[in-house]
Amino acid sequence: QQPVQSPQAVILREGEDAVINCSSSKALYSVHWYRQKHGEAPVFLMILLKGGEQKGHEKISASFNEKKQQSSLYLTASQLSYSGTYFCGTALVGSNYKLTFGKGTLLTVNP
Amino acid sequence: DAGITQSPRHKVTETGTPVTLRCHQTENHRYMYWYRQDPGHGLRLIHYSYGVKDTDKGEVSDGYSVSRSKTEDFLLTLESATSSQTSVYFCAISEGSGDTQYFGPGTRLTVL
Repeated sequence: QQPVQSPQAVILREGEDAVINCSSSKALYSVHWYRQKHGEAPVFLMILLKGGEQKGHEKISASFNEKKQQSSLYLTASQLSYSGTYFCGTALVGSNYKLTFGKGTLLTVNP
Repeated sequence: DAGITQSPRHKVTETGTPVTLRCHQTENHRYMYWYRQDPGHGLRLIHYSYGVKDTDKGEVSDGYSVSRSKTEDFLLTLESATSSQTSVYFCAISEGSGDTQYFGPGTRLTVL
């Protein structure tokens, strides 16, 4: 039931865009996105509820495709500060909202 | 930043000894969680609490117990630590069951 994230790692130059995907084999109620820098705690980015909504946060936005049970995180015009590991946490329909996290996507932004 | 502290922040112990980790919050959130984070596995839920004295198991609860006698404190106990429990432990809190979870700074535990 662990969501599958792709890619596992991505390297960008400052200003480039990236997309990180999070897929589930079961029906999702919500998807939560976090960013974690090395040695620090995960930091909340955004939450998406079923209904296919899209949210934005500065130059970071996300979508939730309910039919595909997939969420995508979009990072545009990346900055050095975007470097870190991105995790999605998914709550299945009927799971009492407990989150299961993917293994993470390591994003490195170089000058 | 959400008011969450964890203690200790680092601990080294020996196999077979009991260990208790503490999570303290000042946000008065109802839900509290314990996760462990290991390379290649991401974050995995150990136990969670939905109120004082109300707890439930997560996906990796074997070898762990929890207690919550006050809203602000959630304790994680390893009754007899094993090397497989070497990990980074994160506490998280949320207002409601499906709400945003905010993470504490983590505790790095090494079991020799």
